[in-house]
Amino acid sequence: NAGVTQTPKFQVLKTGQSMTLQCAQDMNHNSMYWYRQDPGMGLRLIYYSASEGTTDKGEVPNGYNVSRLNKREFSLRLESAAPSQTSVYFCASNPTGRETQYFGPGTRLLVL
Amino acid sequence: AQSVTQPDIHITVSEGASLELRCNYSYGATPYLFWYVQSPGQGLQLLLKYFSGDTLVQGIKGFEAEFKRSQSSFNLRKPSVHWSDAAEYFCAVGPSGGGATNKLIFGTGTLLAVQP
Repeated sequence: NAGVTQTPKFQVLKTGQSMTLQCAQDMNHNSMYWYRQDPGMGLRLIYYSASEGTTDKGEVPNGYNVSRLNKREFSLRLESAAPSQTSVYFCASNPTGRETQYFGPGTRLLVL
Repeated sequence: AQSVTQPDIHITVSEGASLELRCNYSYGATPYLFWYVQSPGQGLQLLLKYFSGDTLVQGIKGFEAEFKRSQSSFNLRKPSVHWSDAAEYFCAVGPSGGGATNKLIFGTGTLLAVQP
């Protein structure tokens, strides 16, 4: 039981490049979330998915897209990376909305 | 607007000393409250949570927190800090009402350093 896994662990992009961050959970959770963490700002919600087939915007969705591929996987895509998207990205999941969220180890993204 | 405030950006305590990390929130209704800890280069781990009932909640690693509705606070405490407690601590709030998702609002974090 690996919990929440994220790939890659670290990525460097040039401005304008695209990439997809992958997240998978093996806990049969319904809800999944993407956050970004920036110094002095805590974690901010980018997108979330209440269940397979549904996604909704969070606090900072601009510049991102998501796909809930199936119940296990929730990917985050940057179509045209910008330096402002340099951050640490965390994926999380929980069984339903009111329960504890479990976090992955994070992906560190540097956009030059 | 909903918000979480952690007034202390950085705290240094001596090993064996007591610890209190502050958290204040602004929320329309009684929220669910969480404390998470993040060790360097790691994800977030849940320390404890408050949903309802007893306002003093116990967590892992000897931590506890007290929900004070009148002060809109949920401060984290530990009677005796260990060197391994050095980490960043995040307070978070979420909706206690219905809904399929828990859109947590996080504070900006408190970085704890422990002196030998």
